[in-house]
Amino acid sequence: EAEVAQSPRYKITEKSQAVAFWCDPISGHATLYWYRQILGQGPELLVQFQDESVVDDSQLPKDRFSAERLKGVDSTLKIQPAELGDSAMYLCASSLGQVKETQYFGPGTRLLVL
Amino acid sequence: AQKVTQAQTEISVVEKEDVTLDCVYETRDTTYYLFWYKQPPSGELVFLIRRNSFDEQNEISGRYSWNFQKSTSSFNFTITASQVVDSAVYFCALSEVATGANSKLTFGKGITLSVRP
Repeated sequence: EAEVAQSPRYKITEKSQAVAFWCDPISGHATLYWYRQILGQGPELLVQFQDESVVDDSQLPKDRFSAERLKGVDSTLKIQPAELGDSAMYLCASSLGQVKETQYFGPGTRLLVL
Repeated sequence: AQKVTQAQTEISVVEKEDVTLDCVYETRDTTYYLFWYKQPPSGELVFLIRRNSFDEQNEISGRYSWNFQKSTSSFNFTITASQVVDSAVYFCALSEVATGANSKLTFGKGITLSVRP
């Protein structure tokens, strides 16, 4: 069964360092999402791609976060510099299309900033 | 703005008991989609069900059943004869169609279900 792949699964870093997360969506899925999940909360959307284009990045802290999906397949989310408050689970999801399509999630990357 | 409320935060039951997880949503749209996801300790969100706003028929899948009531804006989830493997955090989520290209999911805060042997 096709799955969304993410790496690394765990990342510990010190504040002010740069971190990067990678996501490979299910083959054929045009829409890719990055969510952040703070402990005890539901996931919140950071950025949504349709193919290689950003559809929504209104909740992405653009002073320190960046995301790209250059060839419309896999994607990278970067934080530079990391802050203590960035400690969270970062989840990637993909769907065939937008709106009504079901989003399938990867295993996530747990980030701890010290 | 859309909103999902899961008023229950933690539920603990003994194995084989039935348990219902509540979900109440708010939206101004007439067309929307509702979802339930399961998040086991490993962290991955596992898709359970999708329901569109025009389909109020209840659904049963094995030990799982869902009750969608538009009149009360609720989409409740019942696990019959719970098992230890059902222990997880369960999220209800809403996606509005009217937002166009943006199909983000709005999640509730989740319900932690613990099933004791």
